[in-house]
Amino acid sequence: DAGVTQSPTHLIKTRGQQVTLRCSPKSGHDTVSWYQQALGQGPQFIFQYYEEEERQRGNFPDRFSGHQFPNYSSELNVNALLLGDSALYLCASSSRTSGGHTDTQYFGPGTRLTVL
Amino acid sequence: QKEVEQDPGPLSVPEGAIVSLNCTYSNSAFQYFMWYRQYSRKGPELLMYTYSSGNKEDGRFTAQVDKSSKYISLFIRDSQPSDSATYLCAMIETGRRALTFGSGTRLQVQP
Repeated sequence: DAGVTQSPTHLIKTRGQQVTLRCSPKSGHDTVSWYQQALGQGPQFIFQYYEEEERQRGNFPDRFSGHQFPNYSSELNVNALLLGDSALYLCASSSRTSGGHTDTQYFGPGTRLTVL
Repeated sequence: QKEVEQDPGPLSVPEGAIVSLNCTYSNSAFQYFMWYRQYSRKGPELLMYTYSSGNKEDGRFTAQVDKSSKYISLFIRDSQPSDSATYLCAMIETGRRALTFGSGTRLQVQP
């Protein structure tokens, strides 16, 4: 059973460029969340997608946008890259339809983005 | 002040020691509490998941939640060098989507 997968593994961009990161959720999961983890910090919530809609958003500017596809995979897009966007970008998947009080989120290996 | 505070360490212990990792939080609406383990340059791996106050045990790991003190702990018994990693506490409000993480504690278990 494949876990959460992310691509690419590493990415180097320059300031002002745009980037797209991709995530495939764990089998049976229908919800994808994105987090940004700066070096030495805990992950910070960017947004969550369920049923192809953004359901909640963290304190990130509009330069960060996303999409969820009918097969539940997701993309994170970041426009007008800044040096401060350099971080590990983590995708987490969960299942809203499995019931329970809240989502148990399982993380992928992350995409390391470096902005020069 | 951060919503979740966690001592960054590093914490260095000899193999076989009992390790205690802790987080404090300020948001009384947090109801679900998790511990994740993160190896260098990898994604976080879910270790323990608890709801509200109490203890939960899984093998060498025990998670404790004290909501009255807004304090959670993870105990690792018989620690192994393979336990060397960063341990992140995370918590979430009922019905919400976003996990709020501590900054992580780096643990080194010396053989």
